[in-house]
Amino acid sequence: NAGVMQNPRHLVRRRGQEARLRCSPMKGHSHVYWYRQLPEEGLKFMVYLQKENIIDESGMPKERFSAEFPKEGPSILRIQQVVRGDSAAYFCASSPRRELPYEQYFGPGTRLTVT
Amino acid sequence: AQRVTQPEKLLSVFKGAPVELKCNYSYSGSPELFWYVQYSRQRLQLLLRHISRESIKGFTADLNKGETSFHLKKPFAQEEDSAMYYCALMGQGAQKLVFGQGTRLTINP
Repeated sequence: NAGVMQNPRHLVRRRGQEARLRCSPMKGHSHVYWYRQLPEEGLKFMVYLQKENIIDESGMPKERFSAEFPKEGPSILRIQQVVRGDSAAYFCASSPRRELPYEQYFGPGTRLTVT
Repeated sequence: AQRVTQPEKLLSVFKGAPVELKCNYSYSGSPELFWYVQYSRQRLQLLLRHISRESIKGFTADLNKGETSFHLKKPFAQEEDSAMYYCALMGQGAQKLVFGQGTRLTINP
């Protein structure tokens, strides 16, 4: 089991462009979480998804950010019209069961730099 | 509001010395508390959770509800303990983790 995969590992975007971050959960995991880590800060929850459903998006900025986890394929975190303040490390985690939410296996992260 | 505070950004101790990484939390209710660790060039991983009351790699953490603390301790530090440590909480019935800012622990030989 390769673990949670995220790509790209590094992404550079100019202000105003779109960023798409991908997360492939561990095999057999149907729960995905996205966290953002700003410089010098801890990880902050953004969104929790199950296959085809957004369960909790309380940590998502109201504008420009969206997430999906389709029936087939990876989960996508999409940031439209990026700004410098979006520069951060974005981590994805997956878990096998709703009953064990603390069993979150983390990916290596995608480091987004907005120039 | 849910909040986790790790007052030390950096902590440096000598090999063989005791280690204590501080964590305080704010939550109205009974949360679950965790310590996560990230070794150099590795992924963030769960170290221990308060409910299990285990000792993992020599580390223990006791939940003190009166002081709302969950400090991580090890009596004799080893060089391989050098890593970034994050304290985190999960509220009752919640699915998301609330992390502290992290403490970078360096064990000097």
